[in-house]
Amino acid sequence: KAGVTQTPRYLIKTRGQQVTLSCSPISGHRSVSWYQQTPGQGLQFLFEYFSETQRNKGNFPGRFSGRQFSNSRSEMNVSTLELGDSALYLCASSLDGTPHNEQFFGPGTRLTVL
Amino acid sequence: GENVEQHPSTLSVQEGDSAVIKCTYSDSASNYFPWYKQELGKRPQLIIDIRSNVGEKKDQRIAVTLNKTAKHFSLHITETQPEDSAVYFCAASNQAGTALIFGKGTTLSVSS
Repeated sequence: KAGVTQTPRYLIKTRGQQVTLSCSPISGHRSVSWYQQTPGQGLQFLFEYFSETQRNKGNFPGRFSGRQFSNSRSEMNVSTLELGDSALYLCASSLDGTPHNEQFFGPGTRLTVL
Repeated sequence: GENVEQHPSTLSVQEGDSAVIKCTYSDSASNYFPWYKQELGKRPQLIIDIRSNVGEKKDQRIAVTLNKTAKHFSLHITETQPEDSAVYFCAASNQAGTALIFGKGTTLSVSS
């Protein structure tokens, strides 16, 4: 099976712009989680989607949003970008998001905000 | 909210030594505790996990222990090798069991 893929891999934006990142899960996986990774802060949970429904949300401002499509592909959007949004954004997929099933990570999208 | 503390943030050992990384979690409802390894420039990969009904689990040179009463769990790597050098993340499931809360990571350096 193909692994989790994310597009684009690299992105440069300026403050105030918005950005959309995409994640394609492993075939058959219905849960997609998003994380923000920054040096010293580890992996911070953004949100999790299952069958097109957001089930969990982390402590991020409303500028961060996401959605999931019927084919389980997911997108996250960040509006009104700030310098502090520069980070590696990782998505992970699993069969159903429960602890019974492993989460597999994608390669990430490196976002730089200037 | 749920929180996972991880220590130390950096760890340097000599090849062949053991390495121990410790994590504590806040949500007593957490029942799944995975450990991920992230090599430089690569994605995190699961190396071992433990569920709340088990106190210890071992896979070759890697072992994880869990103390639910104290709400802490640890990763033990024996006979370390240079290829063990990476960032290690612990995580705990949230109350609903549908999200993972990660620690901030430990950078392990193994020198030969």
